[in-house]
Amino acid sequence: DGGITQSPKYLFRKEGQNVTLSCEQNLNHDAMYWYRQDPGQGLRLIYYSQIVNDFQKGDIAEGYSVSREKKESFPLTVTSAQKNPTAFYLCASKDRERNTEAFFGQGTRLTVV
Amino acid sequence: AQSVTQLGSHVSVSEGALVLLRCNYSSSVPPYLFWYVQYPNQGLQLLLKYTSAATLVKGINGFEAEFKKSETSFHLTKPSAHMSDAAEYFCAVNQAGTALIFGKGTTLSVSS
Repeated sequence: DGGITQSPKYLFRKEGQNVTLSCEQNLNHDAMYWYRQDPGQGLRLIYYSQIVNDFQKGDIAEGYSVSREKKESFPLTVTSAQKNPTAFYLCASKDRERNTEAFFGQGTRLTVV
Repeated sequence: AQSVTQLGSHVSVSEGALVLLRCNYSSSVPPYLFWYVQYPNQGLQLLLKYTSAATLVKGINGFEAEFKKSETSFHLTKPSAHMSDAAEYFCAVNQAGTALIFGKGTTLSVSS
């Protein structure tokens, strides 16, 4: 079955550590996205990529980094520079045509301990 | 730039009552609009989408939405609420060349 997979589902980070969240899709989509979700704030765009080896910052990119070496994969690293990383992170992918919907993974809940 | 405003962060209805979740958009070009539903600790699932083919759009689980250009609205409705409809609902607009822009979400509670 085609879909988008995020792992792990739950992740715990110690202060000062970098952690990487995985996102893989087999939908043959060019575009991939990372959103952060906090209660009452909706989904805020962190980074997005429209094509392999290219990505752009979203509204809240500070403290995060990404790579897009393969079409299927778009990992997100939460660095120690992100001061408040506890949140629910959602990865999405879509075809590059404007009128198509995005498909979402099941999310990763990151908690700082 | 496009944006989306969802009026009401929390809506409560009784089982069997009409559901109305409000969404207004701002766009300088014809928009493509979407409604998604999210259950706790899960990803988002598409309910329906407007892509200019018809102003009244029917989606899954009995939901529908009407695109009204004059009011810049895309409100989500369901004639009769069910307990299983309790979830968070997001309206989104597709911004050309970038990503879906989401509203802040509306939590729907359904009481028996």
